[in-house]
Amino acid sequence: DTGVSQDPRHKITKRGQNVTFRCDPISEHNRLYWYRQTLGQGPEFLTYFQNEAQLEKSRLLSDRFSAERPKGSFSTLEIQRTEQGDSAMYLCASSLGMGGRAADTQYFGPGTRLTVL
Amino acid sequence: ELKVEQNPLFLSMQEGKNYTIYCNYSTTSDRLYWYRQDPGKSLESLFVLLSNGAVKQEGRLMASLDTKARLSTLHITAAVHDLSATYFCAVETDMRFGAGTRLTVKP
Repeated sequence: DTGVSQDPRHKITKRGQNVTFRCDPISEHNRLYWYRQTLGQGPEFLTYFQNEAQLEKSRLLSDRFSAERPKGSFSTLEIQRTEQGDSAMYLCASSLGMGGRAADTQYFGPGTRLTVL
Repeated sequence: ELKVEQNPLFLSMQEGKNYTIYCNYSTTSDRLYWYRQDPGKSLESLFVLLSNGAVKQEGRLMASLDTKARLSTLHITAAVHDLSATYFCAVETDMRFGAGTRLTVKP
């Protein structure tokens, strides 16, 4: 088991461009989470999937953000018309999904660091 | 709005000493999580506390949860340098994280 992987690890883009990140969870995990973390802060929850269904989406999440998990395996997070304020580390986590929604341990990937110029 | 507050935000302590990190949250939640993050790295799960009165221990770290007081603690016993990291608590509601406690353990 190789753990949660994310691609790319770093992304530099110009303001107004679209970017897409990929997350591959641990293979048997049915739950997948996306977070955003800025320097010196804790992660901020963005959205959550159980299998292919997107069950929760943060109220703080702009309409420019969209996430998919089409086959219940890997997931993509797209940011349209990027802004400088989108610069952050984007973290993906997965969990086995036993019991309650978040009662199980989440395993985090290494993150994708986005810089918007 | 749900708030999760950690105290202290910065902690410098000597090896061998004990200390407690506090995590207060502003809404009811039966579950609370503690994570560790090393500089430039991702998060590592430390503890999942599932009910009031839950206590879990792993090595020199012990976490507890008081859902009535909306308080969790992370106690460090006889600190060693390897424990230097940032520690986050997170509440199940909205998976809201605290700002983190940056711990530095000095010889």
